[in-house]
Amino acid sequence: DQQVKQNSPSLSVQEGRISILNCDYTNSMFDYFLWYKKYPAEGPTFLISISSIKDKNEDGRFTVFLNKSAKHLSLHIVPSQPGDSAVYFCAAYGAGSYQLTFGKGTKLSVIP
Amino acid sequence: DTEVTQTPKHLVMGMTNKKSLKCEQHMGHRAMYWYKQKAKKPPELMFVYSYEKLSINESVPSRFSPECPNSSLLNLHLHALQPEDSALYLCASSQVAGGEQYFGPGTRLTVT
Repeated sequence: DQQVKQNSPSLSVQEGRISILNCDYTNSMFDYFLWYKKYPAEGPTFLISISSIKDKNEDGRFTVFLNKSAKHLSLHIVPSQPGDSAVYFCAAYGAGSYQLTFGKGTKLSVIP
Repeated sequence: DTEVTQTPKHLVMGMTNKKSLKCEQHMGHRAMYWYKQKAKKPPELMFVYSYEKLSINESVPSRFSPECPNSSLLNLHLHALQPEDSALYLCASSQVAGGEQYFGPGTRLTVT
């Protein structure tokens, strides 16, 4: 049972435009959400997180939105740059849990 | 400094060998994790150490043996591995268990 779902395996965006990566979750006990970026043969790099008490968190070009009623979050990257091309993982913690549940990832390609 | 280091970067071992993977962080984090990642899949949690005590062992076979000598170091001892154990092994740390995890670059393990 996949508790964190990233339904788009890939996404292509023109340089300078907005990239929107989506993530849905099924476990209502999740209360902390994170986005990671991963290049091939490297470890994931933490990008941004959001607590369930917020609906938006912004850090530079990256903004994460959380819609608790829809159990949906999204990562917005604007403007997109070629260096943003990577696989993006959505991940979530349950309250008091040490286990980070990952989605399967979305491969973002930013075209120059 | 958000760096987690892992050695070696690559490891090739036979099924009868004994080897160890090492992970180090100097961020004062009190939780450390081992993950296994296969190609085009998300990381899978193997072990969690919190304050140098093993908190989670996700039903990992005994041929994988973790060790946490101190709060900065985490080892994974390998013995009698199978070819299907070939994967990228990732170490991560967080300030406390359940917090934002910072990943190392990983060790690419090949079992022949």
